[in-house]
Amino acid sequence: AQSVTQLGSHVSVSEGALVLLRCNYSSSVPPYLFWYVQYPNQGLQLLLKYTSAATLVKGINGFEAEFKKSETSFHLTKPSAHMSDAAEYFCAVSDIRNTPLVFGKGTRLSVIA
Amino acid sequence: NAGVTQTPKFRVLKTGQSMTLLCAQDMNHEYMYWYRQDPGMGLRLIHYSVGEGTTAKGEVPDGYNVSRLKKQNFLLGLESAAPSQTSVYFCASTFRQGPDSNQPQHFGDGTRLSIL
Repeated sequence: AQSVTQLGSHVSVSEGALVLLRCNYSSSVPPYLFWYVQYPNQGLQLLLKYTSAATLVKGINGFEAEFKKSETSFHLTKPSAHMSDAAEYFCAVSDIRNTPLVFGKGTRLSVIA
Repeated sequence: NAGVTQTPKFRVLKTGQSMTLLCAQDMNHEYMYWYRQDPGMGLRLIHYSVGEGTTAKGEVPDGYNVSRLKKQNFLLGLESAAPSQTSVYFCASTFRQGPDSNQPQHFGDGTRLSIL
């Protein structure tokens, strides 16, 4: 069975600081990995996805994530946080069998001025 | 371009009442999903459908039923609502093109359901 673990339910950074949100996955077959963002009172929006092409994936709003098979990780980063990045972020995993997405429990990002 | 539309957006029910949540997508997607989101639990899959007329159970299906009579619509029913079903419900859809294609899911804005 697939699973996703997001380390830290709440992360707080200063505006302009590095954002690092951690995601580790478990999958018995090659995974597809996703990061979604949820702003208050909205649905989830796709930030980026990894589907076995380049291991460094660039997404929207300056975010990127690196797939590291040896560490079973897919951490999300952004060099410089902006106030508008404050939201909840979800990591999710599927696989080549097209199984439904399994989501992590989410990490709430706060950005301090 | 509406994408995924959920109705209603808010609802308050009494224990034991029934209701149906409607999800409609205009992207000709094959796959549709219902999730519930609870604090600290992330999104958990209730039921999903891989095409018109087909449904399957997800992680937390008990107390819910679904139907996919038309490709564009996916209905979630609560036959006898319980306080434990108080949650935010999200519908999502995606268009699959083969075993090696994994398209992202498109989400609705959610339905906030409170059961007293």
